[in-house]
Amino acid sequence: AQKITQTQPGMFVQEKEAVTLDCTYDTSDPSYGLFWYKQPSSGEMIFLIYQGSYDQQNATEGRYSLNFQKARKSANLVISASQLGDSAMYFCAMRPPSGNTPLVFGKGTRLSVIA
Amino acid sequence: DSGVTQTPKHLITATGQRVTLRCSPRSGDLSVYWYQQSLDQGLQFLIQYYNGEERAKGNILERFSAQQFPDLHSELNLSSLELGDSALYFCASSVVGGLAGGPGNEQFFGPGTRLTVL
Repeated sequence: AQKITQTQPGMFVQEKEAVTLDCTYDTSDPSYGLFWYKQPSSGEMIFLIYQGSYDQQNATEGRYSLNFQKARKSANLVISASQLGDSAMYFCAMRPPSGNTPLVFGKGTRLSVIA
Repeated sequence: DSGVTQTPKHLITATGQRVTLRCSPRSGDLSVYWYQQSLDQGLQFLIQYYNGEERAKGNILERFSAQQFPDLHSELNLSSLELGDSALYFCASSVVGGLAGGPGNEQFFGPGTRLTVL
């Protein structure tokens, strides 16, 4: 079975600083996808970034990058130049091999950006 | 805007009642997923439909059922509601096919339906 662990229940970061949100995963499958979602206080789930297990390079999307260390089974999200609007819950998720399968989520990390 | 729509946005009802939540996936997406987000259980997968057929089942109670219609919209039916069913219910959709682990299979979430059972 797949499992996602997010060990940081809450994080604080100063505006304009970078922050890393931790995510480790457990799976015996060689092929999988890793996702990060943002959930602001309004409740919607916003897709941020995707990393495939066979991708050679770390994924990047604007201010978001994924520090993927396959041997350590970690997929940390790095947010550069934090903004007040980044304050939200962040969820790491994994999808088992088959493309059309449900996501397994971690418990999330609440990020608070301080002015 | 993810392109996934859910109605209603909020629902308040009493214990023992039955409700129906509705979801319309993004145009072209054949897979629909239902998730429940509660304070104590986090985000839990309930059930998945693919092109009208049930594809996978997660932690869905027997009091809950779902279906996907020919126009691909989906409904989640919750009956004999209990206080513990109060949660945010999400629908998500994804594109068809793609290689395992490949891009393009991201799940896009709707805005959710917040259910409160009193």
